[in-house]
Amino acid sequence: NAGVTQTPKFQVLKTGQSMTLQCAQDMNHEYMSWYRQDPGMGLRLIHYSVGAGITDQGEVPNGYNVSRSTTEDFPLRLLSAAPSQTSVYFCASSRQGSYNEQFFGPGTRLTVL
Amino acid sequence: SQQGEEDPQALSIQEGENATMNCSYKTSINNLQWYRQNSGRGLVHLILIRSNEREKHSGRLRVTLDTSKKSSSLLITASRAADTASYFCATNTGNQFYFGTGTSLTVIP
Repeated sequence: NAGVTQTPKFQVLKTGQSMTLQCAQDMNHEYMSWYRQDPGMGLRLIHYSVGAGITDQGEVPNGYNVSRSTTEDFPLRLLSAAPSQTSVYFCASSRQGSYNEQFFGPGTRLTVL
Repeated sequence: SQQGEEDPQALSIQEGENATMNCSYKTSINNLQWYRQNSGRGLVHLILIRSNEREKHSGRLRVTLDTSKKSSSLLITASRAADTASYFCATNTGNQFYFGTGTSLTVIP
């Protein structure tokens, strides 16, 4: 199994540009989530999904959109990038339920100029 | 923010010594998990302790949980250079996970 994969690994955008960060998992996990990690801030939840067709907002959802059309994929869209969105983005998945560990992807390092 | 906080922010020890890091959180929880992050990598799950448990062991890891104080500790015994990483606690309330700010552990060979 590949686990959780993310593409791209690195991306540089100009302010106002849009892009999609890709996330896929092959473990048939119901729960998927997106986090951003900033220095000194730990990880903060952006959006999450408990299954195909179901998404919800996390702690810092503004400026980001998600969709979940399949169990495997959970893309994160930046509609109009801003310098404040410069960060490292991690996708994670787990079986549904409160007592399950999350499996993380390798991350995407995004710089917005 | 509902983030927890780890203490200390950074810890440097000699190989073979024990490392203890603490986590405090703000809300009632279903469980608390600890993760490790090596530099430039994603997080890796270490151990989970449920809200009705007080202590849990896994290999060289020992986790305690005090829900009355909203705090947890992670003890790594007989540390190795390979334990050098950042360690994060994460609490789970419903479908949302909240991560602490992390402890950076350096184990000197």
